[in-house]
Amino acid sequence: DAGVTQSPTHLIKTRGQQVTLRCSPKSGHDTVSWYQQALGQGPQFIFQYYEEEERQRGNFPDRFSGHQFPNYSSELNVNALLLGDSALYLCASSLSVTPYNEQFFGPGTRLTVL
Amino acid sequence: LAKTTQPISMDSYEGQEVNITCSHNNIATNDYITWYQQFPSQGPRFIIQGYKTKVTNEVASLFIPADRKSSTLSLPRVSLSDTAVYYCLPHSISSGSARQLTFGSGTQLTVLP
Repeated sequence: DAGVTQSPTHLIKTRGQQVTLRCSPKSGHDTVSWYQQALGQGPQFIFQYYEEEERQRGNFPDRFSGHQFPNYSSELNVNALLLGDSALYLCASSLSVTPYNEQFFGPGTRLTVL
Repeated sequence: LAKTTQPISMDSYEGQEVNITCSHNNIATNDYITWYQQFPSQGPRFIIQGYKTKVTNEVASLFIPADRKSSTLSLPRVSLSDTAVYYCLPHSISSGSARQLTFGSGTQLTVLP
């Protein structure tokens, strides 16, 4: 049973460019959340997708957008990259019907903006 | 959302029991406490979750006193591989916000030989 997978593992971009990160949830999971983790900090919630719609959003600008596909996989898009967007981007999946909140995280995508 | 306070770092030796305490003074009545573990360059991993009193699983125990203003993660007989950052997260499981996890800065546990 594959866990949460993310691609690419690492990415280097320059300021002003756009980037797309991808996530495949754990088998059977239908909800995907994205987090940004700066060096030395805890992960910060970006947004969550369920039934192909954004359900919740953290305190991130509109430059951050996403999508969920019918197979529950998801993409995170960041436009007009800033140096401060350099971080580890984590995807987490969960099952909407579970009464508790165990989320399974992927290994992350390390984004470096130069 | 409840604010949490944890020690920034802790050191321990192999084979010792480690207790990491988290303060969460304004936890809501229906909030649960969850602990996650994170190794460098990896995503966080669920360790344990509880509401009150004591919960134990194969890797840890979680103690939550009656006033629920704090919780303590107990790791028995730690090994070098337990070196990681540990996060305490109060959250509600009864609303749509349940899926949003709010991480603090966590506690860096270093296990020494």
